[in-house]
Amino acid sequence: DQQVKQNSPSLSVQEGRISILNCDYTNSMFDYFLWYKKYPAEGPTFLISISSIKDKNEDGRFTVFLNKSAKHLSLHIVPSQPGDSAVYFCAARKRGGKLIFGQGTELSVKP
Amino acid sequence: GAGVSQTPSNKVTEKGKYVELRCDPISGHTALYWYRQSLGQGPEFLIYFQGTGAADDSGLPNDRFFAVRPEGSVSTLKIQRTERGDSAVYLCASSLTGPTSGVDTQYFGPGTRLTVL
Repeated sequence: DQQVKQNSPSLSVQEGRISILNCDYTNSMFDYFLWYKKYPAEGPTFLISISSIKDKNEDGRFTVFLNKSAKHLSLHIVPSQPGDSAVYFCAARKRGGKLIFGQGTELSVKP
Repeated sequence: GAGVSQTPSNKVTEKGKYVELRCDPISGHTALYWYRQSLGQGPEFLIYFQGTGAADDSGLPNDRFFAVRPEGSVSTLKIQRTERGDSAVYLCASSLTGPTSGVDTQYFGPGTRLTVL
């Protein structure tokens, strides 16, 4: 079963506007949630994380929101830049270390 | 400093052959993870090492897959009798301490693209 889901395979946003990437999960036992960005032919690069006991974490242009009752998290990028164009993966960590990844959302930021 | 490195970057083999994929973690990182990513999917967990020992190998799909980390640094993922379905990008990640406390971010290498003909 897919414990972490990213239901939008792609998203297109105009430069300077906000990008909102969404992620849903089913397991209440995850202790951390992370967002990774991936460029072609490269490994995923860590962006930002949030503990399951928090509801918001902000780092520069990137903010992650966690809604535990809805089992939903989102990544906001504002303002979006063309260099943000990449595939974004949501990941949830089970106690014990392994990450469970969503399928990814391809973000395209148009100039 | 240097990040996680993986060799080879690409490997093409024939069905039934044996392959080894190597991962060099970030120096000083005690935890090492292997994931597999198929086209259009997110990375899928295979195995996690804490030091030299496999702390969790629940993601290995079957007994054709085996991984070692004999000195607690470099790791090798070994696949016997390869099948076409094994074709994927194999990703390695390392983290400083493992999931003992805090988020302990995993840093990924560029991956090895395995193609089984």
